[in-house]
Amino acid sequence: KAGVTQTPRYLIKTRGQQVTLSCSPISGHRSVSWYQQTPGQGLQFLFEYFSETQRNKGNFPGRFSGRQFSNSRSEMNVSTLELGDSALYLCASSLSQGYSGANVLTFGAGSRLTVL
Amino acid sequence: AQSVTQPDIHITVSEGASLELRCNYSYGATPYLFWYVQSPGQGLQLLLKYFSGDTLVQGIKGFEAEFKRSQSSFNLRKPSVHWSDAAEYFCAVGNYGGATNKLIFGTGTLLAVQP
Repeated sequence: KAGVTQTPRYLIKTRGQQVTLSCSPISGHRSVSWYQQTPGQGLQFLFEYFSETQRNKGNFPGRFSGRQFSNSRSEMNVSTLELGDSALYLCASSLSQGYSGANVLTFGAGSRLTVL
Repeated sequence: AQSVTQPDIHITVSEGASLELRCNYSYGATPYLFWYVQSPGQGLQLLLKYFSGDTLVQGIKGFEAEFKRSQSSFNLRKPSVHWSDAAEYFCAVGNYGGATNKLIFGTGTLLAVQP
């Protein structure tokens, strides 16, 4: 069964531009979460979606937004890019919300964003 | 507030030697605990998890971890390290009983394996 697919894998943008990252969860998974990974701040939670609704949001400015579609695919958008937005953006999917023996996060390989 | 501490930023072990990576958490109740591994340029792969029950949990690739409530620890161990284990390891805590999959991660421990 296919894993979590993130596109694009690598991209370079300049300051002030915007970017959209895409995440296709494992088939049957309805929850999608996004994390930002940087050398300085480590892994930080961005937001979490379930059934097209944002259920939880991390401490990031409003420039960071996301959405989930009816097929559970998710996108995140960063507007007015800053140098500090350079990071690996990881998407993870799970069957549902709340942990159980069967419900854990499975991560994609990430989208590496470089802002010049 | 929930937090996870991995005191060792970088560890080097010889191939075949045993390994223990430390993880301490701060949480008001019994947490859900996880260890993930990340190889260069890759996402996170789940090694093992603790939800309840037996405090010694077995994971993939020969890893195990022990939950010690009294010490607020969830250390990862492997009896004999292979060169392919070189990677970064992250401990994480999840919200017990909550309707969220949000994880709080530690800062990671980078493992180097000497031949």
